[in-house]
Amino acid sequence: SAVISQKPSRDICQRGTSLTIQCQVDSQVTMMFWYRQQPGQSLTLIATANQGSEATYESGFVIDKFPISRPNLTFSTLTVSNMSPEDSSIYLCSVEGQGADGYTFGSGTRLTVV
Amino acid sequence: GNSVTQMEGPVTLSEEAFLTINCTYTATGYPSLFWYVQYPGEGLQLLLKATKADDKGSNKGFEATYRKETTSFHLEKGSVQVSDSAVYFCALRTGRGYNKLIFGAGTRLAVHP
Repeated sequence: SAVISQKPSRDICQRGTSLTIQCQVDSQVTMMFWYRQQPGQSLTLIATANQGSEATYESGFVIDKFPISRPNLTFSTLTVSNMSPEDSSIYLCSVEGQGADGYTFGSGTRLTVV
Repeated sequence: GNSVTQMEGPVTLSEEAFLTINCTYTATGYPSLFWYVQYPGEGLQLLLKATKADDKGSNKGFEATYRKETTSFHLEKGSVQVSDSAVYFCALRTGRGYNKLIFGAGTRLAVHP
């Protein structure tokens, strides 16, 4: 299965600033997924990033708040913009496995906004 | 719509006890079903999966059977260890659209010596 490197692993940010999270995959993948896991909660899909096209956002998430780049088949970034304490969460990227394999997840970025 | 419902935690067990974590789903068509595990401070790892009715997924002593008649995918282990303490997520993929995963709320398992 694919190996995903995600960074930073954690950060503490001031409100009103932005943070860009990077996700690097060791193989080419068509789609990459970005999830948010709020404290003590399950994972919620933010958007799906397909190389060469605009990301597709889930209900409740907008591009102005969570812009995504997908410049090639092995890399993607998610930016959390104009942060507030409510954005404090773990953010994870994910890729779909080959065939019937499950999805692989990055180790996550633990974001604290103060 | 598609959804996953898990039993609420935390589940607290003694070492070597039998574990069941219930998971039921609502989905159109024939989804694939997954169990993921999240150890403290770590990301998600795929624990096991099943892609069609009556399939049994198994890994590390954990098992789950895809039951279409009861729309369930309960996770079981015969003898838990302290190292199994983690949060367990049931998830489904419908195979439509962007093949996204839909997760249950997660169940925290704490195993004591």
